Formats: sequence, structure tokens, C-alpha cells
Amino acid sequence: AQTVTQSQPEMSVQEAETVTLSCTYDTSESDYYLFWYKQPPSRQMILVIRQEAYKQQNATENRFSVNFQKAAKSFSLKISDSQLGDAAMYFCVVNQGGKLIFGQGTELSVKP
Amino acid sequence: EAGVAQSPRYKIIEKRQSVAFWCNPISGHATLYWYQQILGQGPKLLIQFQNNGVVDDSQLPKDRFSAERLKGVDSTLKIQPAKLEDSAVYLCASSFMGQGNIQYFGAGTRLSVL
Repeated sequence: AQTVTQSQPEMSVQEAETVTLSCTYDTSESDYYLFWYKQPPSRQMILVIRQEAYKQQNATENRFSVNFQKAAKSFSLKISDSQLGDAAMYFCVVNQGGKLIFGQGTELSVKP
Repeated sequence: EAGVAQSPRYKIIEKRQSVAFWCNPISGHATLYWYQQILGQGPKLLIQFQNNGVVDDSQLPKDRFSAERLKGVDSTLKIQPAKLEDSAVYLCASSFMGQGNIQYFGAGTRLSVL
């Protein structure tokens, strides 16, 4: 069975600083996708970044980047220059065959 | 491009009553998903449709939950009768094949069962 573990229930970062959210997962497949989704209080689940497992290069989207370690099954998210609007619940997600498996989430707060 | 639409945003019912949620996916998205998100947890897949056929409903409590997707577009999720433990946010998502299975989510319906 697939599992996704986010060991940090809550994180806090100062505005303009950098924060890293951790995620480990378990899958027996070699071909899959990984995502980070963000869910603000409005409940709208928003895609932050996507990583294809067969690509060694780490994905980057503006201030968001990942550190993907396939052998270790680790997929961390780094947010640079944190902004107040980054405050939300962040979910690490494994997509295998169209089915999303979510982690428990990390609540990120941003201090002005 | 319009996003995934869901209604209602909030619903409060008493246990043993019935309730229905509606979802309109992004135009052209063949795959539609319903998730249940209990407070403090990640979403859990209830059912997946490909066009108007069911692909996966292994996590759907079929004794009380039902879902349909008529004409391969809009979908309705129903609970009858509701239990206290059904209190959750119900999220609808859709995806277009070939985009790495990126799923686009609606804003969800928050259900409170009293």
C-alpha cells in the first residue's frame, strides 16, 4: 500500500525567510508523479509544484522548489522569500495511475 | 478558463437526513473525482469517474453513499442516511488525460451532521 508521511504537523517562518517542508513516501512503482498542493482557509486545493519520478532534475516554480531523492523516497518543498499569502496547509501527494494519495498535511504560518 | 464548480458551499443537516452535493468539472476534463476530507486529515478518494463510467469506488461506503455522472459532465454525490461521522469537506476534482494527471479541485462543500 502507498503511504505518504509528513512528519511536521506545523511549521512557522518569518516573512522573507526560507522554509523547508518534509515528506517521505512509500511506493512499489517506478513510474509515478509527486505533487505539493496548498490548501488555504478558503479550502481551495491549489497545485504548487509537480515532479515526475523518472526525471532526476528537481522541479522549480518561481519561489518554490523541491528536493527529490528517489532512492530515499523523499520529496521536500522549499519556499524561498516567504510571503504572507503562503500561509496555508501544504499536502505532499503521490499520484500513481491517476489516484492521489495525500499526506496528513503541514500547517504553515508566516509571521510578518 | 472556468474552474471546478461545487455547490452548496455549506450544508448543515441532522443525522439520518439525506444530502446531495453537485459538481461541474472543467470543460473537456474526462475524469472526475470525489474526495472526503475529515478535519485535520488529507483528502481521501471516494469515487473516480472516467466519462460517465466508474473507475474506482473501492472507498465509497455504498450502503449510504451514491454518486452518478450523467452524460459524462456534471456529477452528484448523495448521502442517505447521514451519520455524525460524515461531517467533513467534500471535494470534487477533475483532470485531463496527458497532463501528468494533474487534478484541479473545487472549493468543496463543508457538511456538518448534527
